[in-house]
Amino acid sequence: DVKVTQSSRYLVKRTGEKVFLECVQDMDHENMFWYRQDPGLGLRLIYFSYDVKMKEKGDIPEGYSVSREKKERFSLILESASTNQTSMYLCASQGSTDTQYFGPGTRLTVL
Amino acid sequence: GNSVTQMEGPVTLSEEAFLTINCTYTATGYPSLFWYVQYPGEGLQLLLKATKADDKGSNKGFEATYRKETTSFHLEKGSVQVSDSAVYFCALRASGGSYIPTFGRGTSLIVHP
Repeated sequence: DVKVTQSSRYLVKRTGEKVFLECVQDMDHENMFWYRQDPGLGLRLIYFSYDVKMKEKGDIPEGYSVSREKKERFSLILESASTNQTSMYLCASQGSTDTQYFGPGTRLTVL
Repeated sequence: GNSVTQMEGPVTLSEEAFLTINCTYTATGYPSLFWYVQYPGEGLQLLLKATKADDKGSNKGFEATYRKETTSFHLEKGSVQVSDSAVYFCALRASGGSYIPTFGRGTSLIVHP
C-alpha cells in the first residue's frame, strides 16, 4: 500500500515564525501536492510538484513556498506564519494512475 | 473551467437507512470521476472511481454510476452504518492535459444508531 506520512499531526506556532511541514511518500510517485482544508471551503490547492526541484503554484500560493529536493519528500514552508494560516494541511501524492493518496494531515494553529 | 458541485451537508441518517449524496460536474470531454472519504482525524482516501460513461464504481457497499447525459456521479449505499460517518468528497480529473483533480466541497454524513 502507498504510504504518505506527514511530520506532525498537530502544530502550534506563533505569528511571524517560519514553519516547515514535511511530507514523505514511499511509492516513487512523480507528483506531490499540498492542500489546505477549511470548513465550508473544501480542499484548496496551494502548490504541487511534478518532479524533483519542479514546482507549480496552485490556487492559493500566497504566503507559502515549497521545496522538493528528493523525489519522496515535499515540504511546505510558511515564511512568516499568520493567524489566517491556521488550518488543516493535507499532503498527497499521485503516480501514473489518477488516484491521489493522502497523508493524515497536520492541524496547524497560529497564535 | 472544471467544477464539481455536491449537496451541502450535514446529511443525518439513522443506521440502515438508504444514502444518496448528489454530485454533478462541469468539464469538457470525458473526465474520470472519483469519490473520496475522510474519516474523523484522517486524510482522504479513495472510495471508488469510474473512468468512462455508464461505468459503475463500487466499494464497501457504496456505488456510483458515471452519467454523462446528466453530468452526475451520485453516491449511494443501501444501508448505512455508524462507521460510515465521515466527510465524502466528489472529484474529477479532466481528460487530457492537467492531471490535477478538481474537488467538491465535501458532504458530511452523520449516522445515528
